[in-house]
Amino acid sequence: NAGVTQTPKFQVLKTGQSMTLQCAQDMNHEYMSWYRQDPGMGLRLIHYSVGAGITDQGEVPNGYNVSRSTTEDFPLRLLSAAPSQTSVYFCASSYWGAGETQYFGPGTRLLVL
Amino acid sequence: KNEVEQSPQNLTAQEGEFITINCSYSVGISALHWLQQHPGGGIVSLFMLSSGKKKHGRLIATINIQEKHSSLHITASHPRDSAVYICAVRYWRISNFGNEKLTFGTGTRLTIIP
Repeated sequence: NAGVTQTPKFQVLKTGQSMTLQCAQDMNHEYMSWYRQDPGMGLRLIHYSVGAGITDQGEVPNGYNVSRSTTEDFPLRLLSAAPSQTSVYFCASSYWGAGETQYFGPGTRLLVL
Repeated sequence: KNEVEQSPQNLTAQEGEFITINCSYSVGISALHWLQQHPGGGIVSLFMLSSGKKKHGRLIATINIQEKHSSLHITASHPRDSAVYICAVRYWRISNFGNEKLTFGTGTRLTIIP
């Protein structure tokens, strides 16, 4: 099993550009989530999904969209990148929800100029 | 506001020392996680607790539900234990609908000197 994979590993964007961060898992997990990690702050939840077709907002959802058309994939879309979205983004998954062991992807480092 | 507090923020110790990292939270929880973030950035789950104590190798995690406090202990610490240790909680709600969220502490940076 590949576990949780994220692409790209590193990305540079200009303000106003859009892009999609990819996240995939091959463990048949129902729960998937996106976090951002900024210096001096804990991981913060952006969006999460408890199954295909079901998503919900986390703590910092503004400027990000998600969809979950399959169990395996949970892409995160930046609609119009801003410098404040410079961060490291982690995707995670678990079998059912936040009360179970979480499996994290390797992270995507995003720089918005 | 629901918060997760970790202490200390930074900890430097000699190899072989017994390490304790603390996590406290403000309201009732249904699950508490301890995670390890390696210097390269990868995050690994160490423990998930809802009560009592768990042990894996040299790592021990305990939780006191009444005091809203958890500790992560490392026995016979080694330089390879150097990492950031992160506590995260899932708060308890009457309904689990919309409650599949984790709130994270800011982490404890542990450095073990040979």
